[in-house]
Amino acid sequence: DAKTTQPTSMDCAEGRAANLPCNHSTISGNEYVYWYRQIHSQGPQYIIHGLKNNETNEMASLIITEDRKSSTLILPHATLRDTAVYYCIVRAPNTGGFKTIFGAGTRLFVKA
Amino acid sequence: DAGVIQSPRHEVTEMGQEVTLRCKPISGHNSLFWYRQTMMRGLELLIYFNNNVPIDDSGMPEDRFSAKMPNASFSTLKIQPSEPRDSAVYFCASSTGGKGYGYTFGSGTRLTVV
Repeated sequence: DAKTTQPTSMDCAEGRAANLPCNHSTISGNEYVYWYRQIHSQGPQYIIHGLKNNETNEMASLIITEDRKSSTLILPHATLRDTAVYYCIVRAPNTGGFKTIFGAGTRLFVKA
Repeated sequence: DAGVIQSPRHEVTEMGQEVTLRCKPISGHNSLFWYRQTMMRGLELLIYFNNNVPIDDSGMPEDRFSAKMPNASFSTLKIQPSEPRDSAVYFCASSTGGKGYGYTFGSGTRLTVV
């Protein structure tokens, strides 16, 4: 699976949009971009995923560049409860199952 | 749906003792994953199963670790004998498998070996 690069930490003001970048310049054509987050003392939580089109759900939006070498996770109106570590993962499925490898992620601090 | 259920939530044991962690995946999910998380090493994938069959156990640190999935609704991770360096939070996750599906994680088991 392709390697991803994320900033170590970011700050965001409560109520503002949080834009979390991720670089995945070696992504292959069949690899998806996934985002998870982990709030302190909880298990990771799936947020969103995409292949090449922008995606939106009730939690966030995912913007993938046309060349697919980078993406941005957008939390439109960040709250204090969005303070967490956010993981960007690129992986491809395979016929025998698949596995997700987590990196260090971005620690997002939402401040009042 | 009750989600992925792990037990116990906390376990404190003495070095050398056997430890068994349990996981009940979401009904209908055919892939199950065991992860370990520590401050130093982050989230590490230990082993994963697809349709109850172990697919990749390359992340299992030593022979002291073993995992089983006797049926689609239950899995165990066993450490025998346990050592202080095994202290960590152990997470179980399940997924429907196939491309494009995310994982659902349990709340984890915090293991402390003294």
